[in-house]
Amino acid sequence: ETGVTQSPTHLIKTRGQQVTLRCSSQSGHNTVSWYQQALGQGPQFIFQYYREEENGRGNFPPRFSGLQFPNYSSELNVNALELDDSALYLCASTGSGANVLTFGAGSRLTVL
Amino acid sequence: AQSVTQLGSHVSVSEGALVLLRCNYSSSVPPYLFWYVQYPNQGLQLLLKYTTGATLVKGINGFEAEFKKSETSFHLTKPSAHMSDAAEYFCAVSKMDSNYQLIWGAGTKLIIKP
Repeated sequence: ETGVTQSPTHLIKTRGQQVTLRCSSQSGHNTVSWYQQALGQGPQFIFQYYREEENGRGNFPPRFSGLQFPNYSSELNVNALELDDSALYLCASTGSGANVLTFGAGSRLTVL
Repeated sequence: AQSVTQLGSHVSVSEGALVLLRCNYSSSVPPYLFWYVQYPNQGLQLLLKYTTGATLVKGINGFEAEFKKSETSFHLTKPSAHMSDAAEYFCAVSKMDSNYQLIWGAGTKLIIKP
């Protein structure tokens, strides 16, 4: 079984730009969560998608948005990028009734 | 609100020595508890978890953790450190109304001295 895959692995943007990060969930998993991990810190929960709908959100502004597709893959979109958005963005998936997240290797975003 | 505190941003032990990484949480009811490991430039890998039942939980790579409700602690231990254990370790608890929304500690970087 394939794990969680994320793309791109690294990218550089400038302030004010927009970015889209992609995630393919593990086979059989229908719930996807996104986390932001700033350098030297633990991950912070951004939001979660289940059956193509957002069903949980952390303390992030509306310029952080997402999508989940029928095949359970997901996108994280960030508009109007700020310097503080520089971080590792982690996608995690899990199956129904499970309580363990399987993480991808992350997308490292640098905002200049 | 729930929170997780990991004592020590860096812990250094000699190869073969005991590893002890501390985690305390605040919660009005026992949450689900997790330890994850993160190797450089990689994602997070589950080491072990506590949900219900036995309070001593065994995980991968020889790690184990004990849930102590009275101390609100979930410390991670390994009897004998190996060079390959060098990584960052994160303790996390699940949000009460969602098993998927984890609240994380700031992490402890484990350094192994030869």
